[in-house]
Amino acid sequence: GNSVTQMEGPVTLSEEAFLTINCTYTATGYPSLFWYVQYPGEGLQLLLKATKADDKGSNKGFEATYRKETTSFHLEKGSVQVSDSAVYFCALRNSGNTPLVFGKGTRLSVIA
Amino acid sequence: IAGITQAPTSQILAAGRRMTLRCTQDMRHNAMYWYRQDLGLGLRLIHYSNTAGTTGKGEVPDGYSVSRANTDDFPLTLASAVPSQTSVYFCASSDSHSGANVLTFGAGSRLTVL
Repeated sequence: GNSVTQMEGPVTLSEEAFLTINCTYTATGYPSLFWYVQYPGEGLQLLLKATKADDKGSNKGFEATYRKETTSFHLEKGSVQVSDSAVYFCALRNSGNTPLVFGKGTRLSVIA
Repeated sequence: IAGITQAPTSQILAAGRRMTLRCTQDMRHNAMYWYRQDLGLGLRLIHYSNTAGTTGKGEVPDGYSVSRANTDDFPLTLASAVPSQTSVYFCASSDSHSGANVLTFGAGSRLTVL
């Protein structure tokens, strides 16, 4: 079946540090891959996406590259800010009308 | 403002009571979803609907029911609440006919079953 595995948190970083949150997936076919972010007290919102192999999604300084050979979609940011403190979810959707499958989420805390 | 409205925001409920969580969207999205979020377990799909008049079971459907009488509304009902249903519930919707099929989420409903 389809599944997403992401690194367990919490992750605590100092402001301006480099961030990597690992995400690997298992899927049949050619899924679309997503990163969603959940700020405190809010619902999830899309951060970035990639729909085919070697695509790079980017938004708000975050990037992730769809690596089919390693079945990975790691999230990176070169210099985190306190406002990036949130829970980050990796997700996939296989082709067709299937619902999104989420990882368990990684909580990021950035301290000044 | 276009989006998803969930109600109630928060509710404390006695075990055995019936509860309906409401979800309304104004984006004319064809697909709607209910997830529950629990610490350490992430988001788990309860039920979904790809179009008005149809529903499907997700990963954790037991103890929950849904209906999709029209495009905009997708209520989630707990027929007889149990403490293990204490959770934060998120409704989401998407236009599944678009390429990337991105989900839009509501702000969540926090339910405590005592």
